Amino acid sequence: EVQLQESGPGLVKPSQSLSLTCSVTGYSITSNYWGWIRKFPGNKMEWMGYISYSGSTSYNPSLKSRISITRDTSKNQFFLQLNSVTTEDTATYYCARYGIVMPTSHWYFDFWGPGTMVTVSS
Amino acid sequence: NTVMTQSPTSMFISVGDRVTMNCKASQNVGTNVDWYQQKTGQSPKLLIYGASNRYTGVPDRFTGSGSGTDFTLTISNMQAEDLAVYYCLQYNYNPNTFGAGTKLELK
Repeated sequence: EVQLQESGPGLVKPSQSLSLTCSVTGYSITSNYWGWIRKFPGNKMEWMGYISYSGSTSYNPSLKSRISITRDTSKNQFFLQLNSVTTEDTATYYCARYGIVMPTSHWYFDFWGPGTMVTVSS
Repeated sequence: NTVMTQSPTSMFISVGDRVTMNCKASQNVGTNVDWYQQKTGQSPKLLIYGASNRYTGVPDRFTGSGSGTDFTLTISNMQAEDLAVYYCLQYNYNPNTFGAGTKLELK
């Protein structure tokens, strides 16, 4: 069974970088696409970006140059780095696998990690 | 960005009710909409993809419909286990965008 697990610091100081790891078991990250989504206090959800099976990436323009998603295929992990964080980045962060239905190209998040809460505070 | 406006924000319902919630896109997104259910303390769970396709294992009381800008999720015969927040997501445009959610609560 596909399982994802986020890990990383629960507290980050303003202006520093947030770094999270998503460890995947039961499926290779060299297949499919793999994304990061966050949920803010108050329930708003935001798509942050993804890394593909080939290592290409796509990001939410609202995160501008602050975001980077990378991977380590030898460990079957992918990573989120968000630079210059502010209190507005306080959220629960989820990693998820994309499923894609061909030939319609419908896609969705079919497997999610349990989420990790990150608080930005001095 | 494509704004997904969900309504209502919350609903008070009874077991056995038929529940309908809506999602309106600020531009045409075709049928590129998913619906997710999130229970308290859990990660979101996929219910519907491509506006109307029920995901594997999802009970048939969940039905999605719509295209273009207007989408609906219907729960027939509401069960207590369906109490959750429901989100729509459009993936037709970058960035993909979520609605603000519809919370189902017991009367």
